[in-house]
Amino acid sequence: DAKTTQPTSMDCAEGRAANLPCNHSTISGNEYVYWYRQIHSQGPQYIIHGLKNNETNEMASLIITEDRKSSTLILPHATLRDTAVYYCIVRVSYDKVIFGPGTSLSVIP
Amino acid sequence: GAVVSQHPSWVICKSGTSVKIECRSLDFQATTMFWYRQFPKQSLMLMATSNEGSKATYEQGVEKDKFLINHASLTLSTLTVTSAHPEDSSFYICSARDPGLGTDTQYFGPGTRLTVL
Repeated sequence: DAKTTQPTSMDCAEGRAANLPCNHSTISGNEYVYWYRQIHSQGPQYIIHGLKNNETNEMASLIITEDRKSSTLILPHATLRDTAVYYCIVRVSYDKVIFGPGTSLSVIP
Repeated sequence: GAVVSQHPSWVICKSGTSVKIECRSLDFQATTMFWYRQFPKQSLMLMATSNEGSKATYEQGVEKDKFLINHASLTLSTLTVTSAHPEDSSFYICSARDPGLGTDTQYFGPGTRLTVL
């Protein structure tokens, strides 16, 4: 799997958009970009995934650059409940999910 | 999204005993499930891949005789920690692969907190 690089931690003001970057410069053409988050002492929660096109669901938006070497997860209106560790994972379909250290997002009142 | 459950959510046991953790996919059939372990302030570490009807595949450094995995049905995988010791105390998390969405998304259970005294 391609390796990903994420900032160790980020802060975001409550109500503002949280933009979490991820670099995956060695991504292969058949690898998807997945985002999960883990709230303290819970199992990881699936957020969103994409291949080439930007994606949006009820939780977040995923913006993938045209060269696919990086992506950004956007939480449009962050709340205190969005405080968590966010993991960007690149994998081919049917492959296991391997977690890196992720980004610890703190939403501040 | 798809739902994966784990039981128990927490367990405390004495050193030397065995503990079984169940992982169930509630609304889909999962031919493949995964077991992870997480120590405090660390990321999740994959332990093994559990395949329905066949032997599990263990990651390097994980003792297969200590962590017994059984995937007897398409909705249930179990992890048994045999002869548990305090160093086995950890947060154990399972996930199940849902093939029905085309891109093979993995969904995770809520985790089981194991404390070995």
